[in-house]
Amino acid sequence: ETGVTQSPTHLIKTRGQQVTLRCSSQSGHNTVSWYQQALGQGPQFIFQYYREEENGRGNFPPRFSGLQFPNYSSELNVNALELDDSALYLCASSFWRSSYNEQFFGPGTRLTVL
Amino acid sequence: AQKVTQAQTEISVVEKEDVTLDCVYETRDTTYYLFWYKQPPSGELVFLIRRNSFDEQNEISGRYSWNFQKSTSSFNFTITASQVVDSAVYFCALLNTGTASKLTFGTGTRLQVTL
Repeated sequence: ETGVTQSPTHLIKTRGQQVTLRCSSQSGHNTVSWYQQALGQGPQFIFQYYREEENGRGNFPPRFSGLQFPNYSSELNVNALELDDSALYLCASSFWRSSYNEQFFGPGTRLTVL
Repeated sequence: AQKVTQAQTEISVVEKEDVTLDCVYETRDTTYYLFWYKQPPSGELVFLIRRNSFDEQNEISGRYSWNFQKSTSSFNFTITASQVVDSAVYFCALLNTGTASKLTFGTGTRLQVTL
């Protein structure tokens, strides 16, 4: 069983640039959630994708957007990067409405905005 | 609104000591799930345990045990006979089953286990 993978592992960007982060879900999972974890904080929910559509969103501005593909992999796009966007971005996959409701996390992408 | 509070910022113990991590949650949902995750320095969140709101039975799994009390909205996690490899940040999380099954995390407790 293949776990959740994310790419790239590290990324450095400058203010105003755009970034795309990628996530491959665990085998058998059809739902992907994205979280932002600032240094010293708990992860914050950005949004969730199911059946290639955004299924819920946290308190993040529209410059955070995403996609889910037919193979359930997903992208997180952030436009007009700000310094506060520097964080660890975690992707989690799960099976929609499973009785266990467990979300399995990838290793994360650490984004630094200069 | 969902909220998870982990009042302990950092705990240091000597190997083989037992350690309990506290978690208090707030939710208006009647159906919810509680989780503990471990985050080692590598950054990946590792699932440890799960409990749903209908089951207050406390269990032991290896060196891990948990105490879920709805009356006090607490979901405490205990590691018995701690080991150096247990050193990590531990997060308590609450999952609601609304439109999106999103996790609400606490701010984490850093556990340092020394020899």
